[in-house]
Amino acid sequence: DQQVKQNSPSLSVQEGRISILNCDYTNSMFDYFLWYKKYPAEGPTFLISISSIKDKNEDGRFTVFLNKSAKHLSLHIVPSQPGDSAVYFCAARTDSWGKLQFGAGTQVVVTP
Amino acid sequence: EPEVTQTPSHQVTQMGQEVILRCVPISNHLYFYWYRQILGQKVEFLVSFYNNEISEKSEIFDDQFSVERPDGSNFTLKIRSTKLEDSAMYFCASPGGISTDTQYFGPGTRLTVL
Repeated sequence: DQQVKQNSPSLSVQEGRISILNCDYTNSMFDYFLWYKKYPAEGPTFLISISSIKDKNEDGRFTVFLNKSAKHLSLHIVPSQPGDSAVYFCAARTDSWGKLQFGAGTQVVVTP
Repeated sequence: EPEVTQTPSHQVTQMGQEVILRCVPISNHLYFYWYRQILGQKVEFLVSFYNNEISEKSEIFDDQFSVERPDGSNFTLKIRSTKLEDSAMYFCASPGGISTDTQYFGPGTRLTVL
């Protein structure tokens, strides 16, 4: 039951350019969305989140956009840096304290 | 970022053996979660634990799994009789700070079942 989908398994971007990662969901009961970054053999690291009552949240180089009508969110990273090379997971939950449901992840490679 | 710790970092075991994975979540939070990631797959929810009781569990969390809070600060995930397909990274997570909105993950335990 894939309620959170990341349809792009990989993304290659040049250093300094913008990285755009996409995430689609099917459950209209999701009320909170999060993006995590993960390196191999490490735990997911929280990046940025957004409540379903908002359509944009920004934190430094990271901005998350939410389009509830399309059930779509995106993560923008600008400018992209070599250290951003990792797997990025989109996650969502339906209630406070609730479990997170993850997408399959997008492998980002930032090239010099 | 608030810190969640896990031990051991890597556990190798024979099929059919019992393993216990340990976690120290962020203090002063009653909620606690276990997730796992099989190599190449997405992170999957296993179980949530609130105030010394299981709050929710997934279909993965069958009778072979159990979760306990042996003391005030430690949580454990026990797999009674490991199977080859239990090989995965196991992560614990807990909310951090004042907000309940974000779950912070530990570094994980890599479980290898031979």
